[in-house]
Amino acid sequence: AQSVAQPEDQVNVAEGNPLTVKCTYSVSGNPYLFWYVQYPNRGLQFLLKYITGDNLVKGSYGFEAEFNKSQTSFHLKKPSALVSDSALYFCAVREAGAGSYQLTFGKGTKLSVIP
Amino acid sequence: DSGVTQTPKHLITATGQRVTLRCSPRSGDLSVYWYQQSLDQGLQFLIQYYNGEERAKGNILERFSAQQFPDLHSELNLSSLELGDSALYFCASSVRDRGSGANVLTFGAGSRLTVL
Repeated sequence: AQSVAQPEDQVNVAEGNPLTVKCTYSVSGNPYLFWYVQYPNRGLQFLLKYITGDNLVKGSYGFEAEFNKSQTSFHLKKPSALVSDSALYFCAVREAGAGSYQLTFGKGTKLSVIP
Repeated sequence: DSGVTQTPKHLITATGQRVTLRCSPRSGDLSVYWYQQSLDQGLQFLIQYYNGEERAKGNILERFSAQQFPDLHSELNLSSLELGDSALYFCASSVRDRGSGANVLTFGAGSRLTVL
């Protein structure tokens, strides 16, 4: 079975400061990892993914994530936070080569960027 | 706009009732995935259909059922509704990323169900 843990329910960061949203995963084989963002009363929007290759993945809106196989982590980062980044962030995983593309999501982390 | 269309956006009903949620995937996408988002359970995978056939099943209650029609739209039927069924229900379809070849789920805006 696969699982995702987002250890922080909420992360607060000042505008202009770097931000990190943590994610660890568990999967039997090789992982495909994803970050999604959800704004209030909206659906989930895809931010970035790790499939294979470079451990540092760049995505939308200046976000990036680092895949660390030994620590089974895929933390989301941004060098300089904006107030508009305030939202709910979800990490998700599926096993490479799985028959279905369904994702297992973490519980989500609420990011608040303080002006 | 993700291209995945869900109706209705909001639905309020009473316990014991039955509702149907509708989803149209992105044009050309054969798969439909249904997820439930609630405060206590987070995002839970319910069921997947591919080209009209059930492909994978998750934590879907027996009171819930789904189907995918020949035009590829899907319906999620929720019956004998309970207070705990109040949640956001998302539909997604999978899009093949040109760079990696991997499939990425693209979500609709969701249907918010409130059971009173």
